[in-house]
Amino acid sequence: GDSVTQMEGPVTLSEEAFLTINCTYTATGYPSLFWYVQYPGEGLQLLLKATKADDKGSNKGFEATYRKETTSFHLEKGSVQVSDSAVYFCALSESGTGRRALTFGSGTRLQVQP
Amino acid sequence: EAGVAQSPRYKIIEKRQSVAFWCNPISGHATLYWYQQILGQGPKLLIQFQNNGVVDDSQLPKDRFSAERLKGVDSTLKIQPAKLEDSAVYLCASSSIRTVNTEAFFGQGTRLTVV
Repeated sequence: GDSVTQMEGPVTLSEEAFLTINCTYTATGYPSLFWYVQYPGEGLQLLLKATKADDKGSNKGFEATYRKETTSFHLEKGSVQVSDSAVYFCALSESGTGRRALTFGSGTRLQVQP
Repeated sequence: EAGVAQSPRYKIIEKRQSVAFWCNPISGHATLYWYQQILGQGPKLLIQFQNNGVVDDSQLPKDRFSAERLKGVDSTLKIQPAKLEDSAVYLCASSSIRTVNTEAFFGQGTRLTVV
């Protein structure tokens, strides 16, 4: 079945540092890929998405590129802020099957220190 | 636009008791999901509805969990009887079917503690 593997956390960075959170996936078809973020005390929010190979999703300074050849969707940000402290989830959806539900990774906690 | 509403926010019950959670999706969203998120893990799908029909309930422990979505709007998820391992956050999400690959919008969840 489908699965998503993320790097374990917590990831602790100083403000303005470069961020990479690795994500790889296994899927039978051609999934859409997502990054969701969960800020403290809040619900899951979509951060960015990519629906086909070589697409780049971007939002709030975060980027991720859909790499079919390496089955990866790594999240990057050039300069993190304290406000980026949250748990980040990589996810996929096999929307072509009609099922559309998300399969999530285990999440990576990011802590940004001033 | 109002988001996905869930209640209650928190619930503490003893094992073998029953509990129910309620979800009101975003208006017009035909697809509704219930996920279980155990501490330190990613959310896991329990059941997916499209309107009031079940699309996928393959991971729902049907001996103790049940869910319904009457009239294709609100939904309830019930656990009876609860076990200690059911302690988790139960997330409801909804999405539109008007476009492919549309995002799912999540509620804030119900945190269940079984003691």
